[in-house]
Amino acid sequence: DAGVIQSPRHEVTEMGQEVTLRCKPISGHDYLFWYRQTMMRGLELLIYFNNNVPIDDSGMPEDRFSAKMPNASFSTLKIQPSEPRDSAVYFCASTLGGWGDTQYFGPGTRLTVL
Amino acid sequence: GDSVTQMEGPVTLSEEAFLTINCTYTATGYPSLFWYVQYPGEGLQLLLKATKADDKGSNKGFEATYRKETTSFHLEKGSVQVSDSAVYFCAHPNSGGSNYKLTFGKGTLLTVNP
Repeated sequence: DAGVIQSPRHEVTEMGQEVTLRCKPISGHDYLFWYRQTMMRGLELLIYFNNNVPIDDSGMPEDRFSAKMPNASFSTLKIQPSEPRDSAVYFCASTLGGWGDTQYFGPGTRLTVL
Repeated sequence: GDSVTQMEGPVTLSEEAFLTINCTYTATGYPSLFWYVQYPGEGLQLLLKATKADDKGSNKGFEATYRKETTSFHLEKGSVQVSDSAVYFCAHPNSGGSNYKLTFGKGTLLTVNP
């Protein structure tokens, strides 16, 4: 299996622009997670989906962030408008399901907002 | 609530030194426990896990034993290599309704010098 795929790997944009990050989970995995990692705050869970349905979005920082999962093989995380404090590495992860299952992480998207 | 406390870093060792990274957790019940590793520029990947009390997880020379009496899951390796330089995260699944969320520690940066 190819593992979790994320694109782009790097994104540089200017403040105020819309940013869309993409994720393809491992085939057959029922859960998909979006995380953000910064030096200051560490690893934060933003939102997760089960069978394409958002289950917990309590970690989404504000209304500028939105996430969708239109089908089992694709998810997006959108930031609009972007701000410099959104600069971080964003990870997508997926798991087969069940309490305590291993989460498989993608390589991440490094976002820089100027 | 759920929490994971792991040793503050950074940790710097010489090659072939002994490694311990402490991890303690707070949770309801006896969840699975995980150690994830993040190599530079990559996403997190599972290093090892233990699913019940007294279990020992092991991989790549690393070991950790699930101690319910001390609510600990310390990571050890007898002889580290330069290639072990990475950030190590201890984690466990949430005890509450959102069982599919993982609670991560803040991460411990390990640098191994030749």
